[in-house]
Amino acid sequence: AQSVSQHNHHVILSEAASLELGCNYSYGGTVNLFWYVQYPGQHLQLLLKYFSGDPLVKGIKGFEAEFIKSKFSFNLRKPSVQWSDTAEYFCAVNEMNSGYSTLTFGKGTMLLVSP
Amino acid sequence: ETGVTQSPTHLIKTRGQQVTLRCSSQSGHNTVSWYQQALGQGPQFIFQYYREEENGRGNFPPRFSGLQFPNYSSELNVNALELDDSALYLCASSFRSRTSFGANVLTFGAGSRLTVL
Repeated sequence: AQSVSQHNHHVILSEAASLELGCNYSYGGTVNLFWYVQYPGQHLQLLLKYFSGDPLVKGIKGFEAEFIKSKFSFNLRKPSVQWSDTAEYFCAVNEMNSGYSTLTFGKGTMLLVSP
Repeated sequence: ETGVTQSPTHLIKTRGQQVTLRCSSQSGHNTVSWYQQALGQGPQFIFQYYREEENGRGNFPPRFSGLQFPNYSSELNVNALELDDSALYLCASSFRSRTSFGANVLTFGAGSRLTVL
């Protein structure tokens, strides 16, 4: 089974600071990678995904992530965070099994942006 | 398009009781997956339903069971509740073609928060 590791459980930043959230996965084969975000009181929403092609993927709200195969990493970045980015962020990897596919999630990183 | 809706949003049960959680999938989706999210953890895969059959299960005991109906909605049933079953239960829907089950994007509901006392 795959595992996903998110480096920080809590991150606190001031508005306009740059953000990088680390994510590493264990699977060595072909992977599909995702970042989901959960704003306070809301459901999990897709932020961005990587299936193939350009390893630098852009998502909603100015977020981007870079897939580095040699490092088994898919770190999330944003050049300048806003107070509204306060949320919990989950990295996930798609796992192919016999007859179905599912997502394996990391434990999440809680981001608090102070105004 | 309508999203994924779950009910109830909150419920409290006592140990040993049984619970049923419900989920309506997003329009156009035919596959439903259920996840358990304990406090401070990421979602953990419970099982997946496709064409009204369970076609994949995570590391959860048989007292976790489910159903999928012809309209693709789904139920999660948990028998003999234990304290550790307290969690947010997430339903996610997706579309799977008949010929492949490649990576697909999950659309999540807001969840049902279960507290077991």
